[in-house]
Amino acid sequence: EAGVTQFPSHSVIEKGQTVTLRCDPISGHDNLYWYRRVMGKEIKFLLHFVKESKQDESGMPNNRFLAERTGGTYSTLKVQPAELEDSGVYFCASSLQDRGGEQYFGPGTRLTVT
Amino acid sequence: GESVGLHLPTLSVQEGDNSIINCAYSNSASDYFIWYKQESGKGPQFIIDIRSNMDKRQGQRVTVLLNKTVKHLSLQIAATQPGDSAVYFCAVFAYSGAGSYQLTFGKGTKLSVIP
Repeated sequence: EAGVTQFPSHSVIEKGQTVTLRCDPISGHDNLYWYRRVMGKEIKFLLHFVKESKQDESGMPNNRFLAERTGGTYSTLKVQPAELEDSGVYFCASSLQDRGGEQYFGPGTRLTVT
Repeated sequence: GESVGLHLPTLSVQEGDNSIINCAYSNSASDYFIWYKQESGKGPQFIIDIRSNMDKRQGQRVTVLLNKTVKHLSLQIAATQPGDSAVYFCAVFAYSGAGSYQLTFGKGTKLSVIP
């Protein structure tokens, strides 16, 4: 069974540019989560989808971040315009509907804003 | 809300010795705790979990201990091997107050195994 996949694995962009990260969860997983780890700090929750609906976006830093999950399958996280402090590793995770604690993580996208 | 702290950012252990990684949490109402292992270039991987109705849980070479009195949990790795070298995170799975349950992570302990 394929795990959670993320694309791209690395992205280097200039301040002010736009970047879109993609996450493909494990097939059948209704729950999809986005997290971010800024260097040297803890992994922090960004938001949670249940199917195509945003269940909780309390961790989104500001309105430069937009997450979507069209059709309840893959998800995208767009940063526009990117700022230096957005640099970090963005993780996606998924879980079955009633197993929110058993999250399977993707390998992450390392975003560098210069 | 919940906050999770870690006692040591790095830990070096001789191959074959036992490793102990510690973690503290703030919310006494938290009841589900998880340890993750993150190897270089990969995402966090579930190791073992424990609920608050237990004090100890064992897996293959790993044991998690939960002390609810002092809000402390630890991960013990027996006979540490080079493949155990990774960053280990503790996490609490709890209601966020904003509509869903969330994982709140500690900062992580980097375990280095000396051959």
